[in-house]
Amino acid sequence: DAKTTQPPSMDCAEGRAANLPCNHSTISGNEYVYWYRQIHSQGPQYIIHGLKNNETNEMASLIITEDRKSSTLILPHATLRDTAVYYCIALAGSQGNLIFGKGTKLSVKP
Amino acid sequence: DSGVTQTPKHLITATGQRVTLRCSPRSGDLSVYWYQQSLDQGLQFLIQYYNGEERAKGNILERFSAQQFPDLHSELNLSSLELGDSALYFCASSVLAGELFFGEGSRLTVL
Repeated sequence: DAKTTQPPSMDCAEGRAANLPCNHSTISGNEYVYWYRQIHSQGPQYIIHGLKNNETNEMASLIITEDRKSSTLILPHATLRDTAVYYCIALAGSQGNLIFGKGTKLSVKP
Repeated sequence: DSGVTQTPKHLITATGQRVTLRCSPRSGDLSVYWYQQSLDQGLQFLIQYYNGEERAKGNILERFSAQQFPDLHSELNLSSLELGDSALYFCASSVLAGELFFGEGSRLTVL
């Protein structure tokens, strides 16, 4: 599975959009981009995933560049409860297992 | 609430002992995964079961073993415990690969 690179930490003001970047320049055609988050010591929580089209659900939006080498997770109106470590993972369709890296620690500040 | 239940939530034991962690997956999920999270190692994939059969192995020590029973619940057995085994152990279940639902974890402290 392709390696992903994320900034170690980011800050965001409450009520503003949080844009979390992820680089996956070696991603292959059959690999999806998955996003999870982990709020302090709780179990990781699935957020969203996509292959090449932009995706949106009730939690977030996922924007994948046309060349698929990077993506951005957007939390449109961040709240204090969105403070967490966010993980971007590349995974082939029905194979492999989620391998978590260090992620991005997002701090939402009032 | 993810629907995945892990017991016990907390466990304190001594070096050399053996413990069993239990996981009940979401109703209908055939895949069960075990992950270990320690402070210095992050989330490490240990093992996956699918409908009772071992599907994939990650960084699982030989002192650790797991199984999935016919009712789909799973147990992770940790033996000859060492101080370094102190960690959060997460179980997850899924229908679709990649979309995992994690339990709240079992916190193991080895003294």
